[in-house]
Amino acid sequence: SAVISQKPSRDICQRGTSLTIQCQVDSQVTMMFWYRQQPGQSLTLIATANQGSEATYESGFVIDKFPISRPNLTFSTLTVSNMSPEDSSIYLCSVGLGGGAWEQYFGPGTRLTVT
Amino acid sequence: SQQGEEDPQALSIQEGENATMNCSYKTSINNLQWYRQNSGRGLVHLILIRSNEREKHSGRLRVTLDTSKKSSSLLITASRAADTASYFCATGNQGAQKLVFGQGTRLTINP
Repeated sequence: SAVISQKPSRDICQRGTSLTIQCQVDSQVTMMFWYRQQPGQSLTLIATANQGSEATYESGFVIDKFPISRPNLTFSTLTVSNMSPEDSSIYLCSVGLGGGAWEQYFGPGTRLTVT
Repeated sequence: SQQGEEDPQALSIQEGENATMNCSYKTSINNLQWYRQNSGRGLVHLILIRSNEREKHSGRLRVTLDTSKKSSSLLITASRAADTASYFCATGNQGAQKLVFGQGTRLTINP
């Protein structure tokens, strides 16, 4: 298993500003993932972040809006840029153990409210 | 779009009863997993069943997989108040290193 922490745990932000969310893992992992969970909804994958390469974004998500960094095997950041109320969601990072994506361990999430 | 469709969307039962949740999917899979989420927090991995397996047990959990029907079920036996949570199925698709989550079932266990 893996222990994953996220900062901040929650934030209230003004429209038009940006927020950077940090994800820290207690062990080295190849694959990290960022998800969005809108209120009352399921998880939607934003991007896959592998160390040493550019993040791979899913349809509907673009780098200008959600830039991701992956500087090493234990850390990643997701920035939500130029926020609008529609960005109000829980943002979760996860890691895939064993070098793959199958069994994922999740951080506690960042609850973002945009006013 | 989400691949997994879960049924029911919400389920409320009495403590001690069994809870069954179903998940259907559309494409070929490598595996199917179930996760639990308490009160909008991080997800907890419960169990993974591979495409060549038909049934798997873990404690009070029993998962079945029917690849011909593209469906899975999660049974929680002897439910407890602490089982109150949202449960999500997620499929690992062949050729894609990522999970696709279903819409989830919100389970409430009444004391």
